[in-house]
Amino acid sequence: SAVISQKPSRDICQRGTSLTIQCQVDSQVTMMFWYRQQPGQSLTLIATANQGSEATYESGFVIDKFPISRPNLTFSTLTVSNMSPEDSSIYLCSVGHLSTDTQYFGPGTRLTVL
Amino acid sequence: DAKTTQPPSMDCAEGRAANLPCNHSTISGNEYVYWYRQIHSQGPQYIIHGLKNNETNEMASLIITEDRKSSTLILPHATLRDTAVYYCIVTSGGYNKLIFGAGTRLAVHP
Repeated sequence: SAVISQKPSRDICQRGTSLTIQCQVDSQVTMMFWYRQQPGQSLTLIATANQGSEATYESGFVIDKFPISRPNLTFSTLTVSNMSPEDSSIYLCSVGHLSTDTQYFGPGTRLTVL
Repeated sequence: DAKTTQPPSMDCAEGRAANLPCNHSTISGNEYVYWYRQIHSQGPQYIIHGLKNNETNEMASLIITEDRKSSTLILPHATLRDTAVYYCIVTSGGYNKLIFGAGTRLAVHP
């Protein structure tokens, strides 16, 4: 398995501001993903973080709102821009291991927007 | 990826086996069945996966029907710590993006 950490673990932010969430994994991985889990809901994939190139976004998510960086094989960031209360969610990163054909999730970042 | 159908909730007595069903009637030949669980808004935890043979690990057993249209996750001796939402996901590559359904909320009671 992989050890994945996320920072911050939680935050309370004012509307109109932006928050950058960091995801660090303890080994080099090919695939990294960002998910959102709105209150009481299941997980929804935001995007695939591609190393050295632009992220691949799912339908309903755009780069201007959720810019993603992935400078290397162990680190990625997700920014939630111009936040509104509707952005209050848990944001999770995950990594895919080709060798085990399995995906592992970070502990999540709980975001509350006032 | 094929769609899955799970019951929204189930109950289980502590110490008994928990059998969680999943229907995936449109699964294709190269798709695997994966199970994850999420305990109280923590990150989802990988449990087990399989293609067509039954699988067992230290956490659970996975029984896949011969036609592969359904499967059952078995927790042989459920404990209170197994209370969680269990997700059944069908995908051609577990390392790749996953599409989560609503899952089954399992409540284990004393």
